[in-house]
Amino acid sequence: DAKTTQPPSMDCAEGRAANLPCNHSTISGNEYVYWYRQIHSQGPQYIIHGLKNNETNEMASLIITEDRKSSTLILPHATLRDTAVYYCIVRVGRTQGGSEKLVFGKGTKLTVNP
Amino acid sequence: DAGVIQSPRHEVTEMGQEVTLRCKPISGHNSLFWYRQTMMRGLELLIYFNNNVPIDDSGMPEDRFSAKMPNASFSTLKIQPSEPRDSAVYFCASSPRGAGQYFGPGTRLTVT
Repeated sequence: DAKTTQPPSMDCAEGRAANLPCNHSTISGNEYVYWYRQIHSQGPQYIIHGLKNNETNEMASLIITEDRKSSTLILPHATLRDTAVYYCIVRVGRTQGGSEKLVFGKGTKLTVNP
Repeated sequence: DAGVIQSPRHEVTEMGQEVTLRCKPISGHNSLFWYRQTMMRGLELLIYFNNNVPIDDSGMPEDRFSAKMPNASFSTLKIQPSEPRDSAVYFCASSPRGAGQYFGPGTRLTVT
């Protein structure tokens, strides 16, 4: 699986958009970008994933660059409860013969300030 | 749906004792995963099952660890004998085919 690079920490003001970057310059054509987050003392939470096109759900938006070498997770209106470690992971989709295996790095510690 | 259910939530045991952690995945999910998280090593995949069959156990640290999935609604992770270095939070997760993984609340294991 391709490796990812994320900033170790970020701050965001409550109510503002939080934009979390992720670099995955060695991503292959059949690898998906997944985002998870882990709030203190809880299990990781799946947020969103995508392959090429931008994706949006009730939690966040995922913007993937055209060359797919980087992506940005956007929390449109951050709240204090969004304070967590955010993980960006790339892997081959299982339907394309890949494994279910996720490799978690150190992620980005997002702190939402009042 | 209640989500992934893990038990116990906390376990304190003495070195050398057998420990069994339990997991009930989300109904309809066909993949199940066991992870371990420590401050030093972060979140590590131990083993995962597809349709109750173990697919990848390369993350299992040693023979003291074993995992079973006798049916689609139940899995166990056993450590025998336990050691202090096994102290960690153990997470179980499940996923439907080709989608994200949904994690349980974890079991905090302390081996003294």
